[in-house]
Amino acid sequence: AQSVTQLDSHVSVSEGTPVLLRCNYSSSYSPSLFWYVQHPNKGLQLLLKYTSAATLVKGINGFEAEFKKSETSFHLTKPSAHMSDAAEYFCVVTSGYNKLIFGAGTRLAVHP
Amino acid sequence: DAGVTQSPTHLIKTRGQQVTLRCSPKSGHDTVSWYQQALGQGPQFIFQYYEEEERQRGNFPDRFSGHQFPNYSSELNVNALLLGDSALYLCASSPPGTGGNEQFFGPGTRLTVL
Repeated sequence: AQSVTQLDSHVSVSEGTPVLLRCNYSSSYSPSLFWYVQHPNKGLQLLLKYTSAATLVKGINGFEAEFKKSETSFHLTKPSAHMSDAAEYFCVVTSGYNKLIFGAGTRLAVHP
Repeated sequence: DAGVTQSPTHLIKTRGQQVTLRCSPKSGHDTVSWYQQALGQGPQFIFQYYEEEERQRGNFPDRFSGHQFPNYSSELNVNALLLGDSALYLCASSPPGTGGNEQFFGPGTRLTVL
């Protein structure tokens, strides 16, 4: 069965410093992986997706993620955090046709 | 181009009642999925509709049912509401031929069961 584990429930960074949100996945086949962001009282927005093409995936707002099959990881990074990045981030793996399995989420706080 | 829309935005019900939530997919999308997001948790897959049929279902009881209309819009019905059904209900739509590679989410309906 497919699953994802987000290794940190909360991450706190200072504005202008790098962001690292960690995600490990489990899949019985070659997965599609995503990162979504959810701002307070807003819907989920797709940041980026991996679908068996390039292992380094670039997304919106300067985020990127690297698919590492040997480590079953799909960590999300950004070189320099902005105050507007404060939100809840979800790592997601596909399971079956069009079914998404979400991690528990990582709340990112950005301090001035 | 309107995104995924959901109605109502908020809803308050009492235990034992029934509720219907509505979703309109993005223009051109033909598949609708529903998710339940309890407070502080990630969304959980309820079911998915395609060509007016339930194509896939998550681990939810039969009290949760749905429907898809010829215009691809969808409804989620929950019967015999329990306190534990209080959550944000999210609808997502997918364009044809994507094989599940991208879902676009609506803002959700916040259901409170008292």
